[in-house]
Amino acid sequence: QKEVEQNSGPLSVPEGAIASLNCTYSDRGSQSFFWYRQYSGKSPELIMSIYSNGDKEDGRFTAQLNKASQYVSLLIRDSQPSDSATYLCALSISNFGNEKLTFGTGTRLTIIP
Amino acid sequence: NAGVTQTPKFQVLKTGQSMTLQCAQDMNHNSMYWYRQDPGMGLRLIYYSASEGTTDKGEVPNGYNVSRLNKREFSLRLESAAPSQTSVYFCASRRSGAGELFFGEGSRLTVL
Repeated sequence: QKEVEQNSGPLSVPEGAIASLNCTYSDRGSQSFFWYRQYSGKSPELIMSIYSNGDKEDGRFTAQLNKASQYVSLLIRDSQPSDSATYLCALSISNFGNEKLTFGTGTRLTIIP
Repeated sequence: NAGVTQTPKFQVLKTGQSMTLQCAQDMNHNSMYWYRQDPGMGLRLIYYSASEGTTDKGEVPNGYNVSRLNKREFSLRLESAAPSQTSVYFCASRRSGAGELFFGEGSRLTVL
C-alpha cells in the first residue's frame, strides 16, 4: 500500500459548486498534513496545512482531518475556473527524528464554466 | 526575496553524460529536498537533508548523489544519465520539523 493515496481523477465540477478532494494514508505516525495546488508547468504551492483532527477553514477552502480513519480531505466552495489544477496531498513522516514530506499522486480538478 | 532558486531550468543530456542540478535558498531554512515528478507519479522524494552536513535517501535515490554544500545550497548529481531519469526535478526547503515546503521553479531534464 502506498503511503499516500489519492484518486487521480480527473474530477469535473461545475462552476459555483463544491469540489471535494480526498486523501488516505497508511502511516499512523503522520502528524502534519498539507494540500498543495499545482498548475500545469508550475511548481506546487501550499493551499492548506492541518495538524489536528477536525476542520480548518481558510476562505473558500476547508481542510478536514480524521486521524482515526486516516484520511484528510479538501473542500473548495464556490468553485472558480481558476481552481482548475492538480491538487497534491502531502504528509510529514518522521524518520528517526528527520521529517520527510511524502506526496500523493495528485487529483486533477477541472471547473466547468 | 528570491526564495528557492534552481539551475538550470532546462537541460538535454545524452545517455551516460553527467550533470549537476544546483539549488539555493535564501530563507535560512535547515531542511532541503530534491523531488522528481513524472506524469501520473506525483512527487517522489529522491534525497533530503534535514540539516547542514546530513543527507538521507528518499523513495527513489538510485542513480543520484547529493551534496549539502552549506546551509543555503543542496545539489543533485547524475553521474551517468539514463533515459529513465527524464523528468522534472524540484528542489524545496522548509524550516526544521513541521511546516510548509517552499519549491523552486523546477528543472526539466531530458535524457536521450
